[in-house]
Amino acid sequence: GQNIDQPTEMTATEGAIVQINCTYQTSGFNGLFWYQQHAGEAPTFLSYNVLDGLEEKGRFSSFLSRSKGYSYLLLKELQMKDSASYLCAVRDGDYKLSFGAGTTVTVRA
Amino acid sequence: DGGITQSPKYLFRKEGQNVTLSCEQNLNHDAMYWYRQDPGQGLRLIYYSQIVNDFQKGDIAEGYSVSREKKESFPLTVTSAQKNPTAFYLCASSPGTSGSDTQYFGPGTRLTVL
Repeated sequence: GQNIDQPTEMTATEGAIVQINCTYQTSGFNGLFWYQQHAGEAPTFLSYNVLDGLEEKGRFSSFLSRSKGYSYLLLKELQMKDSASYLCAVRDGDYKLSFGAGTTVTVRA
Repeated sequence: DGGITQSPKYLFRKEGQNVTLSCEQNLNHDAMYWYRQDPGQGLRLIYYSQIVNDFQKGDIAEGYSVSREKKESFPLTVTSAQKNPTAFYLCASSPGTSGSDTQYFGPGTRLTVL
């Protein structure tokens, strides 16, 4: 089976930076996705990594190391609206997505 | 507006009844998916379809059934054989199933079985 681990909860202050780590062990690898999900709503796509390195998109960046089975999502200049759950998902060798349980980020004033 | 619609947002059913959740997309996507989300757990794949008139079981297909008669529609039936049907159900679609094809999600249906 697939194994995707990420921390359950993180808390940070408005304007700060938070890094959400994700480690994975999957049968095959065809890309890693990060989604944001506000409570009771659908996940929305944030980023996609398939090659090693950093992908930057505004205040959000995502990093991938395939050899280490590791990714992180970096949220800069945190805003109250960033309070949400962040889901790490890996596309395996069969091109199916497997999701981690999600990291709930709470931004405090 | 292009997107994925699921209805209803909240659904209540009595134990032992079958219930069908709708999912429609007008994104012209080939692939569609059904996931279940429970508190403290990741999304788990129930069924997926890569093309019309074809679908495959996901990781937790027991007690569920689907059909894909039209490209735009992928309804999910939760049968009375599903032991713990109360959950948040999410439908998604993607252009295809290659590596970079992103899955986009509908707003979800919260099913409560009484």
